[in-house]
Amino acid sequence: AQKVTQAQTEISVVEKEDVTLDCVYETRDTTYYLFWYKQPPSGELVFLIRRNSFDEQNEISGRYSWNFQKSTSSFNFTITASQVVDSAVYFCALRRDDKIIFGKGTRLHILP
Amino acid sequence: DVKVTQSSRYLVKRTGEKVFLECVQDMDHENMFWYRQDPGLGLRLIYFSYDVKMKEKGDIPEGYSVSREKKERFSLILESASTNQTSMYLCASSLWASGALGEQYFGPGTRLTVT
Repeated sequence: AQKVTQAQTEISVVEKEDVTLDCVYETRDTTYYLFWYKQPPSGELVFLIRRNSFDEQNEISGRYSWNFQKSTSSFNFTITASQVVDSAVYFCALRRDDKIIFGKGTRLHILP
Repeated sequence: DVKVTQSSRYLVKRTGEKVFLECVQDMDHENMFWYRQDPGLGLRLIYFSYDVKMKEKGDIPEGYSVSREKKERFSLILESASTNQTSMYLCASSLWASGALGEQYFGPGTRLTVT
């Protein structure tokens, strides 16, 4: 079965703290793609990153970084020095055939 | 700037009504998708389409149908709305290219309430 699990339903941290959002996936495919999306309070999901299964190099984009580990089937997302604008629901997703499976999301609250 | 628009942000309908949710994208994308989002359940795929007049069932197609007569427009139809279809509906589009499939661009969503 192909599946994405985001065990953290909701997280609250104080501004400027670092926070890591966990994502664990299951797939039998040898080639697959993983994604992260952000859904701010406005409601519109925004694509953040795509990773294919052959590229285990970690990615950094400003305060955002992603740690992809095939050995543990995880694709975790870290926000460094969090800001109030980072408050949103974050979804991890996995490509399955011609569809995308989304995790249930982690709601992140950044407290001022 | 890429754009996916949905016809309404909020909609209130009565049980048994026929409901049309419209989605338009201006990026010339081949793929279009309809999801519903419910608390604790995340996003669930209702239907998707690879091309004009083509449609494929997603994970929860029951009670819904779709129409894609033009490349830029993908409509979701609730033939006879029921209260359990009260939800946030999200439309998305993406390029056909294999790796790009997951880079979906989403509309702002339509919050549908069926009373």
